[in-house]
Amino acid sequence: DSGVTQTPKHLITATGQRVTLRCSPRSGDLSVYWYQQSLDQGLQFLIQYYNGEERAKGNILERFSAQQFPDLHSELNLSSLELGDSALYFCASSVTTYSRWTDTQYFGPGTRLTVL
Amino acid sequence: GNSVTQMEGPVTLSEEAFLTINCTYTATGYPSLFWYVQYPGEGLQLLLKATKADDKGSNKGFEATYRKETTSFHLEKGSVQVSDSAVYFCALSVQGGSEKLVFGKGTKLTVNP
Repeated sequence: DSGVTQTPKHLITATGQRVTLRCSPRSGDLSVYWYQQSLDQGLQFLIQYYNGEERAKGNILERFSAQQFPDLHSELNLSSLELGDSALYFCASSVTTYSRWTDTQYFGPGTRLTVL
Repeated sequence: GNSVTQMEGPVTLSEEAFLTINCTYTATGYPSLFWYVQYPGEGLQLLLKATKADDKGSNKGFEATYRKETTSFHLEKGSVQVSDSAVYFCALSVQGGSEKLVFGKGTKLTVNP
């Protein structure tokens, strides 16, 4: 158990719909990362938050947005869903030390999104 | 840009065989290197990491050495077990900007009894 929790575990929805994925980081971790894992694209970084502020964006579509709340949990919102958005979405957290690029990221169990 | 290339599987071995999974990287800067493992139906777990050249990461019998001269971080284990069956991902993180992980495509390992 990494200490990172994600809900829901599975999500099945229809094209055009909107969903929200939730992540609670490990206690004390200030950084939250979102990744998408799909068969064709592999594991891709979407977005990072640090202590409530957006820190970096990766290959995140404009239909997707995220935020980190004062209690440090994060939500990833996916809207106008398409078939190609079906994937496993992971959240990870890290403590964020001075040498941040050496920090271990701890991953949650993921949310499997199926768009029909 | 930053990228990771790892040998694509699947790799099938018999129990107690020697394992090597190759990983090479390209980085604009000085990366930290990681191996993550994903067991069926689970999230990614850190297996080992190395943060500077010549460092050796090790855990659960797995080892990998950060080779700056060959830009490599190959994963090895002397004697695999059935329980090592999983997908293994090599990844890097670079100083400056985001600390995002850049992953290789993953190598699926199956160990047969």
